[in-house]
Amino acid sequence: AQSVTQLGSHVSVSEGALVLLRCNYSSSVPPYLFWYVQYPNQGLQLLLKYTTGATLVKGINGFEAEFKKSETSFHLTKPSAHMSDAAEYFCAVRTGGGADGLTFGKGTHLIIQP
Amino acid sequence: GAVVSQHPSWVICKSGTSVKIECRSLDFQATTMFWYRQFPKQSLMLMATSNEGSKATYEQGVEKDKFLINHASLTLSTLTVTSAHPEDSSFYICSARDGGRLGYTFGSGTRLTVV
Repeated sequence: AQSVTQLGSHVSVSEGALVLLRCNYSSSVPPYLFWYVQYPNQGLQLLLKYTTGATLVKGINGFEAEFKKSETSFHLTKPSAHMSDAAEYFCAVRTGGGADGLTFGKGTHLIIQP
Repeated sequence: GAVVSQHPSWVICKSGTSVKIECRSLDFQATTMFWYRQFPKQSLMLMATSNEGSKATYEQGVEKDKFLINHASLTLSTLTVTSAHPEDSSFYICSARDGGRLGYTFGSGTRLTVV
């Protein structure tokens, strides 16, 4: 079975500073990895995903993530935080093949300080 | 891009009644849909997986007789919470899988409050 660990339930950064949200996964087979953002009382919006190929994945709104198999990590970064980035971020994993749903981490609440 | 429409966005019902939530894929055929539940300030927990034309597969601990799932067409899945109780109050989110793009598109969620 797969699992996802997001370090830090809350992360606070200053506007313009680097954003780093950490995600580690466990999976017995090559994983598919996702980052989603959720605003209050809304569904999830896909930021980016890794399936195969290039390990550095670029997503929307300036976010990117790097798949590191040796570290079983898929950390999310953004060079310069914007006030509109304040939201809940979820990392998720799915094992390849089949019709499995996603396993989510507990989420990280990103706070942007003016 | 792929769009999933979920209705209603919120609903308040009396204890003991049933509530139906609809999830539609608007511009693609979703052979597989997923239903998640999210408690306040917590993560999403997968409740069940539904495949068009077949019975849903429920996760361990989810009561299939309480949470009825129907996936009668390639664009529509419904979740019916039967005999709802206050502890069923939660945020329910559906997701549709577009197999061709290995993507999961989420609906906007339904806030269910049972009083």
